[in-house]
Amino acid sequence: TQLLEQSPQFLSIQEGENLTVYCNSSSVFSSLQWYRQEPGEGPVLLVTVVTGGEVKKLKRLTFQFGDARKDSSLHITAAQPGDTGLYLCAGERGSTLGRLYFGRGTQLTVWP
Amino acid sequence: NAGVTQTPKFQVLKTGQSMTLQCAQDMNHEYMSWYRQDPGMGLRLIHYSVGAGITDQGEVPNGYNVSRSTTEDFPLRLLSAAPSQTSVYFCASRRGDSPPSRYGYTFGSGTRLTVV
Repeated sequence: TQLLEQSPQFLSIQEGENLTVYCNSSSVFSSLQWYRQEPGEGPVLLVTVVTGGEVKKLKRLTFQFGDARKDSSLHITAAQPGDTGLYLCAGERGSTLGRLYFGRGTQLTVWP
Repeated sequence: NAGVTQTPKFQVLKTGQSMTLQCAQDMNHEYMSWYRQDPGMGLRLIHYSVGAGITDQGEVPNGYNVSRSTTEDFPLRLLSAAPSQTSVYFCASRRGDSPPSRYGYTFGSGTRLTVV
């Protein structure tokens, strides 16, 4: 059983569309991280959120941490083919230092 | 800065062979981890360490050993390779600090292992 449930697993959209990826849990996390991974490479950190209700923006990407610190979302506005990749959410819990819990990822494909 | 360096990048093993996957970081990070990535399974934690001399098991530790004698290195040993260990292995590290932390992990580029 995954501690973090990520949805959807696959997303295939046209350039210019908006999308949202969800990361949910019944557990509280001290921080939530989002990574992006391209084929043949390791994940690369996009953002970390640590405060309940926190919203962070990275150009066309908006990340939100739930008020109760149990869930997070990633919203992409006007997706572009360059956004194609595997998006992973991951959380840290204060009770288990050094351990990162990953969701299963969302494979996003943006068609021109 | 080299970041996190994993060697080798590719490896083919025969069932029953042993080998060590190397991971080194030059950022003086306290926390280091090993993951395996399989299709549809995401990243699964094998072993992790919060400092030299301290290691702990993740969710899929069977068949793997680790040790952390220095801050920089965190090798992963496969004791007797099995086809089920065919996977892509990633090492990651981050600065250690008290939660909540805004520091994320830096990942290596992976080792692609095939066991035949």
